[in-house]
Amino acid sequence: DAGVTQSPTHLIKTRGQQVTLRCSPKSGHDTVSWYQQALGQGPQFIFQYYEEEERQRGNFPDRFSGHQFPNYSSELNVNALLLGDSALYLCASSLGGGTRNQPQHFGDGTRLSIL
Amino acid sequence: EDQVTQSPEALRLQEGESSSLNCSYTVSGLRGLFWYRQDPGKGPEFLFTLYSAGEEKEKERLKATLTKKESFLHITAPKPEDSATYLCAENSGGSNYKLTFGKGTLLTVNP
Repeated sequence: DAGVTQSPTHLIKTRGQQVTLRCSPKSGHDTVSWYQQALGQGPQFIFQYYEEEERQRGNFPDRFSGHQFPNYSSELNVNALLLGDSALYLCASSLGGGTRNQPQHFGDGTRLSIL
Repeated sequence: EDQVTQSPEALRLQEGESSSLNCSYTVSGLRGLFWYRQDPGKGPEFLFTLYSAGEEKEKERLKATLTKKESFLHITAPKPEDSATYLCAENSGGSNYKLTFGKGTLLTVNP
C-alpha cells in the first residue's frame, strides 16, 4: 500500500525563480494539504485541497498557489522565490468529509533551497 | 490565534528511564489532538488521535492522554530507537481542516 509520495526530494533554485512541487496521496485518500517546515520548527499549514478546490488557506502570500487533479494528486507552485522560502515542503493526505477528523498522513517532503 | 506549546524542547533519557512530554493547546472547540513522530530528513509519522478529555491511546511503549487543556505523551522504558522529534498538533475549523503544530520535543534515548 503506497503511502504519500512527493517529488522531487531536493531542489535548488535562485531568488525570483518559480518552482512546482508534486504530491501523490495515499491510496484511498481524496484530500491533500501542504505544509512548510522551517528548520527546528513545526510544520505550518499552507492550504488544503478537496474535490479539486482550495478548501482552506493559511497565512501565506498569493505567491503560493496549488492545484488538485481528478486523480487527487496535487501540485504546489511558488512564484518569485525569496531566500525565506527555503524549507522542507510537506504534503499530507487524508479522507475528506465525515464527522470526525481523520489523521493526515505525510510524505517525506521536498527540501527546497534558495540561493 | 490558535497556539500549541510543547515542553520540554529537548529531553535526554537513559534507556529504560520513563518520562512524559507535554502539549498545551489554546483553542476552543477542539476537533482532534494529534501526535506525530518525525525522524531526521523524514516527514511526520502519525501516532495517535485523541478527540475528548479523558481519552487514552497506547502503542508499544507510548501512551497518549488528553485533558481539556493539555495532552501528554508518556514513554515507558524507552529504547534508543525511540529517539526522534515528537510533534503535537490540534485540528481547528471544520472536518479535516488544517493542523496547527507545536515546535516539537527532541527526544534522545541513550543506551
